[in-house]
Amino acid sequence: SYELTQPPSVSVSPGQTATITCSGDKLGDTYAYWYQQKPGQSPVLVIYQDDKRPSGIRERFSGSNSGNTATLTISGTQTMDEADYYCQTWVSSTVVFGGGTKLTVL
Amino acid sequence: QVHLVESGGGVVQPGRSLRLSCAASGFSFNIYGMHWVRQAPGKGLEWVAHISHDGSIKNQADSVKGRFTISRDNSKNTLYLQMNSLRPEDTAVYYCAKPKLVSAAMPYFDFWGQGTLVTVSS
Repeated sequence: SYELTQPPSVSVSPGQTATITCSGDKLGDTYAYWYQQKPGQSPVLVIYQDDKRPSGIRERFSGSNSGNTATLTISGTQTMDEADYYCQTWVSSTVVFGGGTKLTVL
Repeated sequence: QVHLVESGGGVVQPGRSLRLSCAASGFSFNIYGMHWVRQAPGKGLEWVAHISHDGSIKNQADSVKGRFTISRDNSKNTLYLQMNSLRPEDTAVYYCAKPKLVSAAMPYFDFWGQGTLVTVSS
């Protein structure tokens, strides 16, 4: 079965750039999506179709997808961005999520 | 405003059954495929099942195939998940999720319910 691999954790200082990767076989040949989930809350879509931001998502969130890796970039990271982040794609009629990355802002 | 409200969770013994419901409002439920996604305590998201807008197409994750059945009642704007032969590893918060696009291809989710907790334990 298809797998998406994310680093378990990423740490960043406030104001710096956070980069979270998501790796999967030929992931760049399909779309990648990203969700943010804060403790006790439901996931929120932050990037769709590789690099598009839904309405209401801050401009500091951006995405890319090429080759085997999709990347979520958070520029000027703020403490409110501390959360778990999940990538997602769609393969063979199934939704696949990455294992998630805990972003710590300190 | 889109609302998805799950219900039906609780504590159940291994091997028993449970049916979850997701009441939808604020959008044309009958033209969207719908999904269930679960999250075990302290773990990541796991897709569970999908049903097409008219119920004619259903897909499930291998981990629940043969045990869980997704269904819907468009007259009641409600999505269901019938869970049989429950196992401790099925313990999770179960979310219903609405895809952004009507098309079934390449779904991604713009609205999630608040989730309902299912605990499988003796």
